[in-house]
Amino acid sequence: DVKVTQSSRYLVKRTGEKVFLECVQDMDHENMFWYRQDPGLGLRLIYFSYDVKMKEKGDIPEGYSVSREKKERFSLILESASTNQTSMYLCASTVGTSGTYEQYFGPGTRLTVT
Amino acid sequence: DQQVKQNSPSLSVQEGRISILNCDYTNSMFDYFLWYKKYPAEGPTFLISISSIKDKNEDGRFTVFLNKSAKHLSLHIVPSQPGDSAVYFCAARPKTSYDKVIFGPGTSLSVIP
Repeated sequence: DVKVTQSSRYLVKRTGEKVFLECVQDMDHENMFWYRQDPGLGLRLIYFSYDVKMKEKGDIPEGYSVSREKKERFSLILESASTNQTSMYLCASTVGTSGTYEQYFGPGTRLTVT
Repeated sequence: DQQVKQNSPSLSVQEGRISILNCDYTNSMFDYFLWYKKYPAEGPTFLISISSIKDKNEDGRFTVFLNKSAKHLSLHIVPSQPGDSAVYFCAARPKTSYDKVIFGPGTSLSVIP
């Protein structure tokens, strides 16, 4: 059974802080993704990675960076948190070769920036 | 401009009746479509998918229909159960995209006992 875990369920940070969100998957998946979910906007892709040390920008990368040093771990970094980054952050992974494109999601991190 | 649209933010259905959730897309280069279900405080879970070469896919109570000429797909849930109450996201995959998909804004389904 695929498991995607995220380091925190709830996080409260102050404006200007550097924030790290960690995601780990245990099924040797090739691809990993970071989304944010906001009401009425659905899931918007921030960054994705198709291999270790490889990354590509998604639709809303501004204010974020990512790191993938190991295949199972994909980190999202908010360099200087701002109140408009208050959101639900979701990590996901896919096999990459299955042909079904099904994404497996973590439980999400509710980030509040004050 | 949203490439994947779910024009109904919410839907209420009586238990036992059919739920129909709709999704429209604008990009004819999508080759795969997926539906996800999301409960509050949980990540989305995959529900059902359909390739663009098909027009119907069925899995138990869930059926997805694809109308390529209208760029429209729908998810039918029959019969609806209270446990189906959740937000449903439609997603579409552009060809050659490393499994990247584009999500719609979601429809919140309430099944009333």
